[in-house]
Amino acid sequence: AQSVTQLDSQVPVFEEAPVELRCNYSSSVSVYLFWYVQYPNQGLQLLLKYLSGSTLVKGINGFEAEFNKSQTSFHLRKPSVHISDTAEYFCAVKGGGKLIFGQGTELSVKP
Amino acid sequence: DVKVTQSSRYLVKRTGEKVFLECVQDMDHENMFWYRQDPGLGLRLIYFSYDVKMKEKGDIPEGYSVSREKKERFSLILESASTNQTSMYLCASSQGSNLWGTDTQYFGPGTRLTVL
Repeated sequence: AQSVTQLDSQVPVFEEAPVELRCNYSSSVSVYLFWYVQYPNQGLQLLLKYLSGSTLVKGINGFEAEFNKSQTSFHLRKPSVHISDTAEYFCAVKGGGKLIFGQGTELSVKP
Repeated sequence: DVKVTQSSRYLVKRTGEKVFLECVQDMDHENMFWYRQDPGLGLRLIYFSYDVKMKEKGDIPEGYSVSREKKERFSLILESASTNQTSMYLCASSQGSNLWGTDTQYFGPGTRLTVL
């Protein structure tokens, strides 16, 4: 069965600092991987997705993620965060026709 | 832009009440989903539907049922609400008739349900 683990439940960071949100998955088949963001009091919005091809995927709002098959990881990065990036971030893997989500990481950007 | 709307942002009900959560999408999507979101647990799939009048159980269907009479509308029903169903409920939809595909899921804003 496929599963997703987000290694950090909370990540505090100062404005303009770089950030990495970690995600590991387990899967015995081809993987499709996603990162979603949930701003306060809103639904989820797609940041980026990996389906095939280049292992470095660029998304919206300056985020990018790298698919690493050998380490079964799909970490999300941003070189310089803004206050407006404060949100909860979810990693997900597509499996059995369903999206399987990680537990979420709360990114808190402080001035 | 895809729009997924949910009938209420906040809802307070009493134990034992029958609760209806409504979701409507405006992009003619084939697939619709209901999730619940709880702190530390991420999103868990309750039910999904890949066609009108079709439904499939997700990972946590107990205590819930669904209805999809029209393509654009997917309802989640709590037959007899209990306090452990207090949660955030998120609806989503995706395009295409192939659930195994890679279509993006689009989410509604969520309904925060409190059962007293």
